[in-house]
Amino acid sequence: DGGITQSPKYLFRKEGQNVTLSCEQNLNHDAMYWYRQDPGQGLRLIYYSQIVNDFQKGDIAEGYSVSREKKESFPLTVTSAQKNPTAFYLCASSIWAVSQPQHFGDGTRLSIL
Amino acid sequence: DAKTTQPNSMESNEEEPVHLPCNHSTISGTDYIHWYRQLPSQGPEYVIHGLTSNVNNRMASLAIAEDRKSSTLILHRATLRDAAVYYCILRPPDSNYQLIWGAGTKLIIKP
Repeated sequence: DGGITQSPKYLFRKEGQNVTLSCEQNLNHDAMYWYRQDPGQGLRLIYYSQIVNDFQKGDIAEGYSVSREKKESFPLTVTSAQKNPTAFYLCASSIWAVSQPQHFGDGTRLSIL
Repeated sequence: DAKTTQPNSMESNEEEPVHLPCNHSTISGTDYIHWYRQLPSQGPEYVIHGLTSNVNNRMASLAIAEDRKSSTLILHRATLRDAAVYYCILRPPDSNYQLIWGAGTKLIIKP
């Protein structure tokens, strides 16, 4: 079945440590996205990528970095510069067209040790 | 940025229709209206979208007001599996990435 796979499901970060969240899709979508969700709130866009080797900052990119070396993969690194990283992180992909829906993975829950 | 307003929560009985409202009074003429839903600890799931006309699919119907300042998601026969947070989102056509998420409506289904 086609879809988006995020791993790990749960992740713990120590102070001063960088961690990388994985996102892989087999939907052949050009566009991929990373969102952050805090309890009881909607999603906020961290980064998005329209095509391979290109990505743009979203509304809350500070303390995060991404790469897009392959169409299927869009990993997110939460750096030590992100002072409040505890959240639910969601990856999505879509066809790059105005009315196409975004398809989401099941998320990674990041906590601080 | 255009925003949406939804009730924090709604309750409905199982096997009855559910009407979830959304106000978007500042919507522009070319913004698409999208609905997603999210179960606890899962990623959002696309439900339906529309521009001006009412839309139907296997999951739900979307009724859009003539002035486009409000819309209603209709679940024709709610089941316990429909209990989720429902998000009404505006999507400008000139910015594919820009989904403006609110806090959504928590739908509670009573057996």
